[in-house]
Amino acid sequence: GQNIDQPTEMTATEGAIVQINCTYQTSGFNGLFWYQQHAGEAPTFLSYNVLDGLEEKGRFSSFLSRSKGYSYLLLKELQMKDSASYLCAAMDSNYQLIWGAGTKLIIKP
Amino acid sequence: GAVVSQHPSWVICKSGTSVKIECRSLDFQATTMFWYRQFPKQSLMLMATSNEGSKATYEQGVEKDKFLINHASLTLSTLTVTSAHPEDSSFYICSARRQEGSAYEQYFGPGTRLTVT
Repeated sequence: GQNIDQPTEMTATEGAIVQINCTYQTSGFNGLFWYQQHAGEAPTFLSYNVLDGLEEKGRFSSFLSRSKGYSYLLLKELQMKDSASYLCAAMDSNYQLIWGAGTKLIIKP
Repeated sequence: GAVVSQHPSWVICKSGTSVKIECRSLDFQATTMFWYRQFPKQSLMLMATSNEGSKATYEQGVEKDKFLINHASLTLSTLTVTSAHPEDSSFYICSARRQEGSAYEQYFGPGTRLTVT
């Protein structure tokens, strides 16, 4: 079956770095997405990886290893506004997104 | 670019009535749109995939006669919740798929909070 695993909750300190891991098993693979979702709001797109390696976008970076079925989202210089849920989603061979349950990130001062 | 709008943002309706939610891709054409439902503190749940010019594909357990989807154009999909009941109260979110070359990206609308009294 198809499955996405990511931690349920993580806590980090303002100004620090945090890495949110995601492992996936899908029927075929057409890329890995990360979204940020604040409470009561819709998800917003953060990143898309389809090739192995690290993609950097400002304070956020995303890494993919297709052979390991593994991705991570790296957040640097954490700010209080980064407190949110982070959703990992893998696109299968039918171009459908398979969603993880999300990682709730709590930032402490 | 890649803006998706949803209307209304929130709606309160009485049990037994129907509610229509619109999803529009404002600056790109979307042959495929998706409708999700999210209950408080739970993950997104895909309800159906909406394809322009054809019938929607519903996920298992989603009643197609209750949740009517119409994808009338490349920029508009609508979800109608018919004969709404309090258990249909939820956050409904649409997303639209944009194709850039061989890559597909998916963008979300801001969501519609439905409360059925």
